[in-house]
Amino acid sequence: KQEVTQIPAALSVPEGENLVLNCSFTDSAIYNLQWFRQDPGKGLTSLLLIQSSQREQTSGRLNASLDKSSGRSTLYIAASQPGDSATYLCAVTLAGANSKLTFGKGITLSVRP
Amino acid sequence: DAGVIQSPRHEVTEMGQEVTLRCKPISGHNSLFWYRQTMMRGLELLIYFNNNVPIDDSGMPEDRFSAKMPNASFSTLKIQPSEPRDSAVYFCASSPTSGSRETQYFGPGTRLLVL
Repeated sequence: KQEVTQIPAALSVPEGENLVLNCSFTDSAIYNLQWFRQDPGKGLTSLLLIQSSQREQTSGRLNASLDKSSGRSTLYIAASQPGDSATYLCAVTLAGANSKLTFGKGITLSVRP
Repeated sequence: DAGVIQSPRHEVTEMGQEVTLRCKPISGHNSLFWYRQTMMRGLELLIYFNNNVPIDDSGMPEDRFSAKMPNASFSTLKIQPSEPRDSAVYFCASSPTSGSRETQYFGPGTRLLVL
């Protein structure tokens, strides 16, 4: 059974700091990996999707990397801002599992002004 | 596009009552997903549909839960009878295709509290 782990569960950083959020998964036979953002009381918004054949994806100040063999992904946030405060969830799709996503429990990020 | 629409946004009910959650996916999307989110277990897939047909319902916790998708623009998740342990946020999501190359678009969720 695929398990997705995100540690730590919470993180607090000062504004302007570059930071890395980690995600690990137990089964490397994935189809893709996604990072989502969830604001309090809201649904999830997809940030980046990395196919299994890719190593990284970038969008603005965000960069996500994928290392399938080691079962790891990182989300890099450059020059963090208070508006980045949210919960960030990592999710994987197992190969052959159609669209079924398995989520980590998320990392709650607080960026202090 | 209005995005995925869920109703109600909040629901408070008493144990034993029937609860029906509703979802309208994004127009043109072929796949629809129901998730449940709790502090203890995180976000879990309950069931998903492709072209209105249930594909995987292995996440449905027990027979008290049922889901239907009578047409491409509407789905319901019903809990009967409800129990306090069903208290959670229930999300509906839709995706353009059944494959995994597209992301899923989430609704705002329904916060359910069963007393």
